[in-house]
Amino acid sequence: KNQVEQSPQSLIILEGKNCTLQCNYTVSPFSNLRWYKQDTGRGPVSLTIMTFSENTKSNGRYTATLDADTKQSSLHITASQLSDSASYICVPQARTDKLIFGTGTRLQVFP
Amino acid sequence: EAQVTQNPRYLITVTGKKLTVTCSQNMNHEYMSWYRQDPGLGLRQIYYSMNVEVTDKGDVPEGYKVSRKEKRNFPLILESPSPNQTSLYFCASSHRQGGQPQHFGDGTRLSIL
Repeated sequence: KNQVEQSPQSLIILEGKNCTLQCNYTVSPFSNLRWYKQDTGRGPVSLTIMTFSENTKSNGRYTATLDADTKQSSLHITASQLSDSASYICVPQARTDKLIFGTGTRLQVFP
Repeated sequence: EAQVTQNPRYLITVTGKKLTVTCSQNMNHEYMSWYRQDPGLGLRQIYYSMNVEVTDKGDVPEGYKVSRKEKRNFPLILESPSPNQTSLYFCASSHRQGGQPQHFGDGTRLSIL
């Protein structure tokens, strides 16, 4: 059964600090993995997409890593800003093109 | 500006009263999809459309209908809404189903009393 687990469920950090969000998945056969950012009251916005052959991809202060062998991904946020407060959703995609959405990590950045 | 527009953003209605949530995209995308988001659950796909006049069921299609008469529009229809359809709904679009980021609307919060 295709599943996605994200940890932690929620996280509070101080502005300027770094943090790492985790995603474990059991999607097979695997095609790619996406990370989305969802601000409160808004739709998800794509941060990165990585295929099974990519180990890392950056988008500004966001860096995603992927280990397709262990079926793990992480999203690292560097020098956090107040605007990073949001939910971050891990979404692996199967080769059938089906997307499996995680429940997200709720990040709060305080000044 | 590239966007997916949903209307209404908020709606409170009563059981059994038919309603339609509209979705429109201005990016000439072939693929469009509807999701619902409930607390503690990831987004779940309701229906999707690969192109005009082509629609298919997602994971939770019961109680919903869709149509794709034009490329830009993909309305979600609740013929006889029930309280278990109270949820946050998102429309999304992309050029194709796989391998590309989906662009999401800002959501429609439906409350069915």
